[in-house]
Amino acid sequence: KAGVTQTPRYLIKTRGQQVTLSCSPISGHRSVSWYQQTPGQGLQFLFEYFSETQRNKGNFPGRFSGRQFSNSRSEMNVSTLELGDSALYLCASSSPGLAGRPRENTGELFFGEGSRLTVL
Amino acid sequence: DQQVKQNSPSLSVQEGRISILNCDYTNSMFDYFLWYKKYPAEGPTFLISISSIKDKNEDGRFTVFLNKSAKHLSLHIVPSQPGDSAVYFCAASGSNYQLIWGAGTKLIIKP
Repeated sequence: KAGVTQTPRYLIKTRGQQVTLSCSPISGHRSVSWYQQTPGQGLQFLFEYFSETQRNKGNFPGRFSGRQFSNSRSEMNVSTLELGDSALYLCASSSPGLAGRPRENTGELFFGEGSRLTVL
Repeated sequence: DQQVKQNSPSLSVQEGRISILNCDYTNSMFDYFLWYKKYPAEGPTFLISISSIKDKNEDGRFTVFLNKSAKHLSLHIVPSQPGDSAVYFCAASGSNYQLIWGAGTKLIIKP
């Protein structure tokens, strides 16, 4: 089955602009998480959506926002871009919990290839 | 405060030898741990996981060891192959379902 698809793959913006990134999860996956990756910082959790509701949120300013649609596709938006927002933004989806595993999103995450954002 | 730490930014190992990647955590409530591998220009891919009820999980050349008292886990790769050259991330999860990630260790396998 098709993997996680992120668009656009690469984009360049200038300070003060805003950007919207899109993520289409694997068919049947209802949980979508977003991460920011910068050199030396690993993966920083932005937020997680499940059934159109934000279920978890990381420690990022309000300029970072997201949403999930009824088909589980998700978008994240960054407003008033800063130079430090330059990073690889990764989206990951996960499948519903199996019987006996009532907790979701503690198992395998499937990542997209990411959207590389450069802010000039 | 980093709850999951990978203290070695990089590691170089001879092909055929054992690679040992380490990860320490501070939150005793973490009960599920995962390792992911990432090649350049690709998203991370799941490698192996371990629940806190176990102290070892093996999958082919990959074995993860968990020492709960020391709050330490390690990933062993035996034997190491050139295709194992990548960045390895460890991640931990607790009751709030959120995965906390380490900064990654770049593994270089020398031929």
